[in-house]
Amino acid sequence: DADVTQTPRNRITKTGKRIMLECSQTKGHDRMYWYRQDPGLGLRLIYYSFDVKDINKGEISDGYSVSRQAQAKFSLSLESAIPNQTALYFCATSALGAGNEQFFGPGTRLTVL
Amino acid sequence: QKEVEQNSGPLSVPEGAIASLNCTYSDRGSQSFFWYRQYSGKSPELIMSIYSNGDKEDGRFTAQLNKASQYVSLLIRDSQPSDSATYLCAVKGYSGNTPLVFGKGTRLSVIA
Repeated sequence: DADVTQTPRNRITKTGKRIMLECSQTKGHDRMYWYRQDPGLGLRLIYYSFDVKDINKGEISDGYSVSRQAQAKFSLSLESAIPNQTALYFCATSALGAGNEQFFGPGTRLTVL
Repeated sequence: QKEVEQNSGPLSVPEGAIASLNCTYSDRGSQSFFWYRQYSGKSPELIMSIYSNGDKEDGRFTAQLNKASQYVSLLIRDSQPSDSATYLCAVKGYSGNTPLVFGKGTRLSVIA
């Protein structure tokens, strides 16, 4: 089945460490997104990419960076992790020209101590 | 700033009843509307999409759209305890090059 995968699924790290979260998809979608979710705050968009050469900031990009290595891969980096980046992180994809339905990966639970 | 508003809940309904979830949006040019279901600790799952005014039915789910009132709703008939989850409303604006805007979700609890 065409799918969206995220690695790692769980990660505990310490303040100041560099962390990379990876997302891969076999859906053939052009568009990829990174969200974080905190209790009571809903989904918040961090970065999105509409193709390999296109990267856009979302509403909360400070402290994060991304890399679109290929159509199927989109990585999120925390250059120097801090405790308030503890959250559930989701990758999502959507197809160009469709209804723009987004399909989500299973999520990465990140804890920064 | 484009906004999507939902009552956070919790909305509690007895098993077998109809659950009604509501969503309003600020961008009058919005074209596409989606409902996602999210179980605690899991990822959002697309359950309904609607693009034109009126009702769209899929099994026990009915999505209703009223663009003039900037209002979209989701009805769940014969609610089951397994429907207990948070339901996210998402809206796509007029431009093709903008991500979906998500509401913060409504938590539904179906009581057996």
